[in-house]
Amino acid sequence: KAGVTQTPRYLIKTRGQQVTLSCSPISGHRSVSWYQQTPGQGLQFLFEYFSETQRNKGNFPGRFSGRQFSNSRSEMNVSTLELGDSALYLCASRLLAGGSNEQFFGPGTRLTVL
Amino acid sequence: QKEVEQNSGPLSVPEGAIASLKCTYSDRGSQSFFWYRQYSGKSPELIMFIYSNGDKEDGRFTAQLNKASQYVSLLIRDSQPSDSATYLCAVNLGRSGYALNFGKGTSLLVTP
Repeated sequence: KAGVTQTPRYLIKTRGQQVTLSCSPISGHRSVSWYQQTPGQGLQFLFEYFSETQRNKGNFPGRFSGRQFSNSRSEMNVSTLELGDSALYLCASRLLAGGSNEQFFGPGTRLTVL
Repeated sequence: QKEVEQNSGPLSVPEGAIASLKCTYSDRGSQSFFWYRQYSGKSPELIMFIYSNGDKEDGRFTAQLNKASQYVSLLIRDSQPSDSATYLCAVNLGRSGYALNFGKGTSLLVTP
């Protein structure tokens, strides 16, 4: 069974640009969450999507947005990039059936903002 | 701000010893707690989750939850060099679904 996949794996952008990151969850998984990981702040929750609806949202500015499609694939968008947005962005998926509590993380997208 | 605090370490233990990691949290309404392991350059992977006060054992790992004192701990018995990693504690803040609030992690080094 394929794991969570994220594309692209690496991105370099300049300040002011926008970026879209993609996440394909494990087949059958319906919940997708996004996290930002930096050395200074650690792993921080961005948002969770389930059935194409945002169910939970972290404490990030409105420049960070996301969506989920009917096939559970998800995209995350960051507009007007700032230097501080340089981070590893991790996507995680969860089954939401059979009492499963395990959230599987993808390999991440490394975003560098210059 | 709902906090999850961990000692950053590094915590160094000899091979075969018990490693003890602790995490405190500020939201008294928190219901579910998780321990993740993250190797350098890799994504986090779930070790255990715990919902109820007391101990939960899975192989060499034991999670302990004390809601009155607002802490959760992880014991690793018979520590191996392969256990050397960063251990992340997470608390679910979501009232439905997942909104995991992570601590900054404790770096564990198991020396042969």
